[in-house]
Amino acid sequence: NAGVMQNPRHLVRRRGQEARLRCSPMKGHSHVYWYRQLPEEGLKFMVYLQKENIIDESGMPKERFSAEFPKEGPSILRIQQVVRGDSAAYFCASSPPNGIMETQYFGPGTRLLVL
Amino acid sequence: RKEVEQDPGPFNVPEGATVAFNCTYSNSASQSFFWYRQDCRKEPKLLMSVYSSGNEDGRFTAQLNRASQYISLLIRDSKLSDSATYLCVVNGGTGGFKTIFGAGTRLFVKA
Repeated sequence: NAGVMQNPRHLVRRRGQEARLRCSPMKGHSHVYWYRQLPEEGLKFMVYLQKENIIDESGMPKERFSAEFPKEGPSILRIQQVVRGDSAAYFCASSPPNGIMETQYFGPGTRLLVL
Repeated sequence: RKEVEQDPGPFNVPEGATVAFNCTYSNSASQSFFWYRQDCRKEPKLLMSVYSSGNEDGRFTAQLNRASQYISLLIRDSKLSDSATYLCVVNGGTGGFKTIFGAGTRLFVKA
């Protein structure tokens, strides 16, 4: 049973470019969460999604960031016009259909570096 | 006040020692609680869930005190491989569905 998969594992972008981060949840999981971790800091919740629905995006920056979890395919975290401050590790987690009260399983993360 | 607070450490202990970590949370409506560990530059991995009745898994014991809004993790007979950052995690509650991670407590176990 494959775990949570994220790609790419490392992503380098220049300021102003777009970054697209992908997350495939564990088989049977329908809930996806995105977190950001800055160097030497804790994980910060960004968004919680179910298939085709954003349940809670209270941790998402108001501009340039968006997330989706389509009916088919992986969840996508999209960062437009990246800035140096976006450099961080972005982790995705998934949980079974009971959702937020269930254990979350994490992917290996995407490390974004903005030059 | 942070929603989930942990002592950042680091805790430096010799092999075989017993070490305890504490965590407090501010939202009394929080509904589920976990301890994760995170190794350097890796993803968090579930260590154990936390229940009011206590939860023990080998050398690890977790406890929840809802009245004091307090979670603890006890590690007995520390191993070198226990060196990691331990994250207290709180789920749910009024005002949203988000999961709150503590900033973590760093543990170094020395030979």
